[in-house]
Amino acid sequence: AQTVTQSQPEMSVQEAETVTLSCTYDTSESDYYLFWYKQPPSRQMILVIRQEAYKQQNATENRFSVNFQKAAKSFSLKISDSQLGDAAMYFCAYRLLNAGGTSYGKLTFGQGTILTVHP
Amino acid sequence: DTEVTQTPKHLVMGMTNKKSLKCEQHMGHRAMYWYKQKAKKPPELMFVYSYEKLSINESVPSRFSPECPNSSLLNLHLHALQPEDSALYLCASSPRDRPNTEAFFGQGTRLTVV
Repeated sequence: AQTVTQSQPEMSVQEAETVTLSCTYDTSESDYYLFWYKQPPSRQMILVIRQEAYKQQNATENRFSVNFQKAAKSFSLKISDSQLGDAAMYFCAYRLLNAGGTSYGKLTFGQGTILTVHP
Repeated sequence: DTEVTQTPKHLVMGMTNKKSLKCEQHMGHRAMYWYKQKAKKPPELMFVYSYEKLSINESVPSRFSPECPNSSLLNLHLHALQPEDSALYLCASSPRDRPNTEAFFGQGTRLTVV
């Protein structure tokens, strides 16, 4: 079974600084997707960034980038120039690429990291 | 339209009540999901519907009854719930033919069972 571990229950950062959230996962599969979701107090889960395991290049989305280390099964999220609106709970999630039948659509989430941004 | 709309946003119900949660999307997604989320915990998958058929039931108690009447709608019927069922219930959808596309989530229904 796949597992996702976020070892940092809480993190804090000063506005305009950079912070890195950690995520490791365990899987015996070679083809999968990894996601970072953000859940602000408004409760809606919002996708921050996505990484396909077969791509060596690290994904970036504006101020958000990942450090994907497939061999180490590590998928960290770097937030640059942190803003007050980045304050939220962040979840790392794993999804099998070719899951069919009863496995289709299963997202495995980590326990989450609460990010606080100080002005 | 990239929204998943859930109603109601808040619901308080007694243990003998019957209520329903509703989820709607118009993105043409043919996979829809119900998740349960406790405070400061990750979402836990409850049900997956694929092409309007139930494909995953994560051993959810029968007091939760899902229904997918058409490709845009997903309901969760609630009956005889327990206080420990109080949680945020999230609906999500994703394209069935593009697994690399993320799931889109609604804002959830905050359920309190008294």
